Amino acid sequence: NAGVTQTPKFRVLKTGQSMTLLCAQDMNHEYMYWYRQDPGMGLRLIHYSVGEGTTAKGEVPDGYNVSRLKKQNFLLGLESAAPSQTSVYFCASSYSISGAPTDTQYFGPGTRLTVL
Amino acid sequence: AQSVTQLGSHVSVSEGALVLLRCNYSSSVPPYLFWYVQYPNQGLQLLLKYTSAATLVKGINGFEAEFKKSETSFHLTKPSAHMSDAAEYFCAVRNYGGATNKLIFGTGTLLAVQP
Repeated sequence: NAGVTQTPKFRVLKTGQSMTLLCAQDMNHEYMYWYRQDPGMGLRLIHYSVGEGTTAKGEVPDGYNVSRLKKQNFLLGLESAAPSQTSVYFCASSYSISGAPTDTQYFGPGTRLTVL
Repeated sequence: AQSVTQLGSHVSVSEGALVLLRCNYSSSVPPYLFWYVQYPNQGLQLLLKYTSAATLVKGINGFEAEFKKSETSFHLTKPSAHMSDAAEYFCAVRNYGGATNKLIFGTGTLLAVQP
């Protein structure tokens, strides 16, 4: 099992450009999450999904969109990148028991994004 | 609402010394608490979790944490630090409500281990 993988690992964008970050998991997990990590602020939840075809806003959703067309993939999009979106982005997933999410989240290795 | 506060953004210990990383929580309901570790250039990995069973929780790599309701604390300890323990450590609390187990993370503590 590869676990949770993220593509790309690094990216530099100019202000106003768009891009999509891909998260893939091969553990058949129902729940998937996108976080951003900034110095001194820990991890903050951007968007999450409780299953294929569903998404919901987290703590800091503005400027981001997500899609979960396939159970194993969770895409994070930036339509018009801004310098404030310079961050490290982490994807995570967790499985469910009888429809309820379990407590352990499995994280990908992260994507380091710089917006100039 | 739930929250966690990690005291000390940087902690430095000598190899073989006690590791103590502090975490205090705020929760209106019995909390589920977690410690995650992030090694350089890697994602987060679960160290241990408290889910209302035993108050002393043992995790991987010799770490343990004790849930103290009277002190609203969940400090992480290891009796003897190893060079490989150098990493950033995050305390987190499960956020109740909604359809998912969203985690609320602390700001992290960077542990340095000196030879």
